[in-house]
Amino acid sequence: QQQVKQSPQSLIVQKGGISIINCAYENTAFDYFPWYQQFPGKGPALLIAIRPDVSEKKEGRFTISFNKSAKQFSLHIMDSQPGDSATYFCAASRVMRSSTLGRLYFGRGTQLTVWP
Amino acid sequence: GAGVSQSPSNKVTEKGKDVELRCDPISGHTALYWYRQSLGQGLEFLIYFQGNSAPDKSGLPSDRFSAERTGGSVSTLTIQRTQQEDSAVYLCASSPRLAGASYNEQFFGPGTRLTVL
Repeated sequence: QQQVKQSPQSLIVQKGGISIINCAYENTAFDYFPWYQQFPGKGPALLIAIRPDVSEKKEGRFTISFNKSAKQFSLHIMDSQPGDSATYFCAASRVMRSSTLGRLYFGRGTQLTVWP
Repeated sequence: GAGVSQSPSNKVTEKGKDVELRCDPISGHTALYWYRQSLGQGLEFLIYFQGNSAPDKSGLPSDRFSAERTGGSVSTLTIQRTQQEDSAVYLCASSPRLAGASYNEQFFGPGTRLTVL
């Protein structure tokens, strides 16, 4: 059962445009929502993350929008650049004092291509 | 400082053989994770080690898969009697997992690409 559903599977955007990737989750116990960026041949790297106590987080050209009632969150990449071309994964987990809850549940990824 | 390292970077094996994949986490990180990434799929959780707690093995797909973490540092993922469907990139991640932290950043290694012929 896919705990985090991600769309679209692939996305093509022109340079300077806005890239938007969406994710939805079911488990209301999730309280940490990161986005990871992966380039070919590399491991994923944390891009930006949000906790459910805020509805938006912005870091440079990257923004996470979070809708707790809808159980959805999205990544917006403003002024998309060819160097942003990569695979993006959303994820969710529980961040608690408990030592046994730390795994990330990943979406299936979105392959973003930004044309120059 | 050094990141998460994994070896080998590529492994080609014949069906039925056993393989061992190694992960060296970032020094001082208490949590270590193994994931599997197949073409077109997301990252599939395999196993999670946290300090001295019993590992969370809930993601291991069959009893052919096992992992250990020695001395709270290096981890080895072993796949016995490999099958063609085991072909994937195996990713290791570590996390400082600070008590009470409001985040859970996982630092990934470059992965081991396993091909079972």
